[in-house]
Amino acid sequence: EDKVVQSPLSLVVHEGDTVTLNCSYEVTNFRSLLWYKQEKKAPTFLFMLTSSGIEKKSGRLSSILDKKELFSILNITATQTGDSAIYLCAARSGNTGKLIFGQGTTLQVKP
Amino acid sequence: NAGVTQTPKFRILKIGQSMTLQCAQDMNHNYMYWYRQDPGMGLKLIYYSVGAGITDKGEVPNGYNVSRSTTEDFPLRLELAAPSQTSVYFCASSYVGTGGTDTQYFGPGTRLTVL
Repeated sequence: EDKVVQSPLSLVVHEGDTVTLNCSYEVTNFRSLLWYKQEKKAPTFLFMLTSSGIEKKSGRLSSILDKKELFSILNITATQTGDSAIYLCAARSGNTGKLIFGQGTTLQVKP
Repeated sequence: NAGVTQTPKFRILKIGQSMTLQCAQDMNHNYMYWYRQDPGMGLKLIYYSVGAGITDKGEVPNGYNVSRSTTEDFPLRLELAAPSQTSVYFCASSYVGTGGTDTQYFGPGTRLTVL
């Protein structure tokens, strides 16, 4: 059965801290891994990763994929209160557009 | 472009009532999806569609039905509402194919409560 597991499930840090969110996957015919940020509304796209070892960056956020060990990490440096959200990881399986989502990591950044 | 739109934003149903959640996209995406999200949980795929006239079940299809008569619209039907269907429902779309990406674009969600 295809599954995506995220850890930790929740995290509380202070502004300025660096956090690492983990995502492991077991997905048939894996195609890509996506990260989304969800505040009090719909998820918004952050990154899509298809190749191992190539880091994607956007400001203070970065992500990398390891296809051998079947995991991805999302790093956030110099966290801000605006980074508080649920971070969702999803893996695309096979030749369909279906995404299997993890349960999410709830990040709270305190001032 | 409006992107992905959903109506209604909120709805309260009584047990056994029926309703249709509407979803539309104006990005000419071929794939559309319905997810539900329970508190503290990730997204669970209910149904998806790879194009007009073609639908398939996701992880949690029981109690729901869908249709896709046009590329733009993908309504989700609840026939006999049950308290277990209390959730936030998200519709999403993506373009899958040559030149497309895996990125799914989400609607704003419909918060449904069944009492």
